[in-house]
Amino acid sequence: GIQVEQSPPDLILQEGANSTLRCNFSDSVNNLQWFHQNPWGQLINLFYIPSGTKQNGRLSATTVATERYSLLYISSSQTTDSGVYFCAVVPNDYKLSFGAGTTVTVRA
Amino acid sequence: DGGITQSPKYLFRKEGQNVTLSCEQNLNHDAMYWYRQDPGQGLRLIYYSQIVNDFQKGDIAEGYSVSREKKESFPLTVTSAQKNPTAFYLCASSRAGARDTQYFGPGTRLTVL
Repeated sequence: GIQVEQSPPDLILQEGANSTLRCNFSDSVNNLQWFHQNPWGQLINLFYIPSGTKQNGRLSATTVATERYSLLYISSSQTTDSGVYFCAVVPNDYKLSFGAGTTVTVRA
Repeated sequence: DGGITQSPKYLFRKEGQNVTLSCEQNLNHDAMYWYRQDPGQGLRLIYYSQIVNDFQKGDIAEGYSVSREKKESFPLTVTSAQKNPTAFYLCASSRAGARDTQYFGPGTRLTVL
């Protein structure tokens, strides 16, 4: 099946810092989503981005489908940004395959 | 409010017992999914349903069963055949299929005593 690799596995930031999370995938995809899982386990959909660039407040994402990677940018990080960020892709078999996640800790 | 609800939030089970986790959505979505999450790992697909009265196995279906009798409901039964059922279970739905945006419920944390 498709491989989804996220880096780095862990990220510690000082409040106000910027960061970039990366998602590499091993095959062409029809769908790519970024999620944030808060400390209580709730997954919040951040972006649906099979290609191109999108922005939502301090977060933005870029997917380069031809090169099989996606980037999530966090600018001016806040403590509420802490949690686990997951990248998930749908190859041709209609199953959403998740990466292992990047755990982000933002310190005040 | 529109959304996905899961119950219970926490569930404790003795070994050898079957338990059923509830998932309900009022988003009028056709597709629903069950995932399992173990500590420090991503989500793995257990079962999915793209339409009422139809469902397919995901990557880790052994020891689990589902039904989809109503569009808004997709209960998951964890049977005694599941060797290591302690995990966090998440239900999701999407408008049509996995190519559409998936929305998640708050999850059920199952612990086997």
